[in-house]
Amino acid sequence: EAGVTQFPSHSVIEKGQTVTLRCDPISGHDNLYWYRRVMGKEIKFLLHFVKESKQDESGMPNNRFLAERTGGTYSTLKVQPAELEDSGVYFCASTRGGNEQFFGPGTRLTVL
Amino acid sequence: RKEVEQDPGPFNVPEGATVAFNCTYSNSASQSFFWYRQDCRKEPKLLMSVYSSGNEDGRFTAQLNRASQYISLLIRDSKLSDSATYLCAAIRNTGFQKLVFGTGTRLLVSP
Repeated sequence: EAGVTQFPSHSVIEKGQTVTLRCDPISGHDNLYWYRRVMGKEIKFLLHFVKESKQDESGMPNNRFLAERTGGTYSTLKVQPAELEDSGVYFCASTRGGNEQFFGPGTRLTVL
Repeated sequence: RKEVEQDPGPFNVPEGATVAFNCTYSNSASQSFFWYRQDCRKEPKLLMSVYSSGNEDGRFTAQLNRASQYISLLIRDSKLSDSATYLCAAIRNTGFQKLVFGTGTRLLVSP
């Protein structure tokens, strides 16, 4: 069974640009989560999808972040416009319905 | 105060040693707990789930103390390959399944 995949693995952009991160969950997993780790800090929750619906988006930092999961399969997380403080590693995780979440390899975002 | 707290370490131990980490949580509504292992520049990988008093898997034992609100992870007979950062995470089973992580405890096992 393929694991959670994320694309790209790295992204370096300038402040003010737009970046879109993609996550493909494990096949059949209805629950998809986005997390972020900023350097020196703990991994923090951003939002949770159940199929195509946003179940909880309480962790989204501000309205520069937009997450979508059209069709309930893969998800995208767009940052527009990017700011310096958005730099970090963005992880995606999925689960079928239980509590055990499986993480993707992450996207390392650097905003210059 | 952070909701989940861990000693960042590093814990330096020789091969074969037994080492234990603690993780404290402040929210008494937390119901489920997890230990993840994270290697440098890699994703967290689920090591153990702790739903009741404890769990054991080979050299690894996790225990939950609800009265004192902490979870522990014990590693016996440490291997060089156990060197990693160990993340503690909690979920409040109130319909929201988001994981709340600690900052992690770094373990270095030396020959």
